[in-house]
Amino acid sequence: AQTVTQSQPEMSVQEAETVTLSCTYDTSESDYYLFWYKQPPSRQMILVIRQEAYKQQNATENRFSVNFQKAAKSFSLKISDSQLGDAAMYFCAYRSRWGDYKLSFGAGTTVTVRA
Amino acid sequence: EAGVAQSPRYKIIEKRQSVAFWCNPISGHATLYWYQQILGQGPKLLIQFQNNGVVDDSQLPKDRFSAERLKGVDSTLKIQPAKLEDSAVYLCASSSGTYNEQFFGPGTRLTVL
Repeated sequence: AQTVTQSQPEMSVQEAETVTLSCTYDTSESDYYLFWYKQPPSRQMILVIRQEAYKQQNATENRFSVNFQKAAKSFSLKISDSQLGDAAMYFCAYRSRWGDYKLSFGAGTTVTVRA
Repeated sequence: EAGVAQSPRYKIIEKRQSVAFWCNPISGHATLYWYQQILGQGPKLLIQFQNNGVVDDSQLPKDRFSAERLKGVDSTLKIQPAKLEDSAVYLCASSSGTYNEQFFGPGTRLTVL
């Protein structure tokens, strides 16, 4: 399985400000998917955003956007205009486009939003 | 649309005891996954079902873990006997196909004393 690394165990952001979560991954494949999942304290994990590696355009979903740097194998998540409801654990995940369908998750980043 | 249901939400047992977790996927979802999430780590896939068949159980500790999905709908994951290192959250997820988005349940937090 591919290795996904999230180097920030915790991040804190002021409400309405922007926070960026980092993620790097290791793969020899050229075609794959990258994901950011949000896991609030209730533990139901939901998909925040998805990026196809063959697309150069960075994915956006409302206040969430990614910076996908394929050559650097970097996939960061930017949360703009942070809200109290954004407080959660965020996981970066990798999946091959073909063949191995398993999701490989990073260790997660806990985001705290200060009122 | 109802989400993925799991029960129980919490379970505390002594080591060497047995425990079972239940999962009911989203209606119509053929693919079902069980993940183990140890504190401070990301989820790790234990087993994947396609309908009632096992697609991948390469990371399932088969000496103590078992899982079934007899009618291709709900699924049960069992641990027998439990060890201290089995303390974790067990997540169930489902998708309409192997390459489609996975939807997760709320998880079962297992504490082994």
